[in-house]
Amino acid sequence: EAGVAQSPRYKIIEKRQSVAFWCNPISGHATLYWYQQILGQGPKLLIQFQNNGVVDDSQLPKDRFSAERLKGVDSTLKIQPAKLEDSAVYLCASSLAGGPGDTEAFFGQGTRLTVV
Amino acid sequence: GENVEQHPSTLSVQEGDSAVIKCTYSDSASNYFPWYKQELGKRPQLIIDIRSNVGEKKDQRIAVTLNKTAKHFSLHITETQPEDSAVYFCAARANDYKLSFGAGTTVTVRA
Repeated sequence: EAGVAQSPRYKIIEKRQSVAFWCNPISGHATLYWYQQILGQGPKLLIQFQNNGVVDDSQLPKDRFSAERLKGVDSTLKIQPAKLEDSAVYLCASSLAGGPGDTEAFFGQGTRLTVV
Repeated sequence: GENVEQHPSTLSVQEGDSAVIKCTYSDSASNYFPWYKQELGKRPQLIIDIRSNVGEKKDQRIAVTLNKTAKHFSLHITETQPEDSAVYFCAARANDYKLSFGAGTTVTVRA
């Protein structure tokens, strides 16, 4: 089956600029996650969608980060304005159901963001 | 929320030896514990997972054990090979369905 698709793979921007990342989950997967992975650390959950509704966004810096999942399929994550500390790999993942019977979360290749 | 701690942060083993990575979690309601392997520059990929109704699970050279009382789980890799070199992440999911990750263990298998 096709995997989770993300674009772009790499992005370099100056601080205070804006940037957007795109994710296309595996077909039929109801749950979509955005994670931030800073070099040398584990993935940190930013936001989790169940279909097109937000399940959790408690760790999303809402003053600068926003995300949407229109029609419960593709999702975009935006940062505006970017800060140096936003430099990280942004991983998108999806899973089938997100409920107690759910299993594996599949990850995309990630977008490596460098803020200079 | 869930807090997952992982030890050690780095692990170097001789080829053929065993490697053990340990994780603890804070939310007693957590019921699903996957382990992911991430090679340099690549996406995390699931290698094994365990649910809270099972104490141990094995798949060829890898095994995971779970102690619900102590709230810890471990990954065991036997007969390590150079291709086992990677960063390994444990994770835990509770009833809020959030998947929380540990900080990762960099495993190096010396030939």
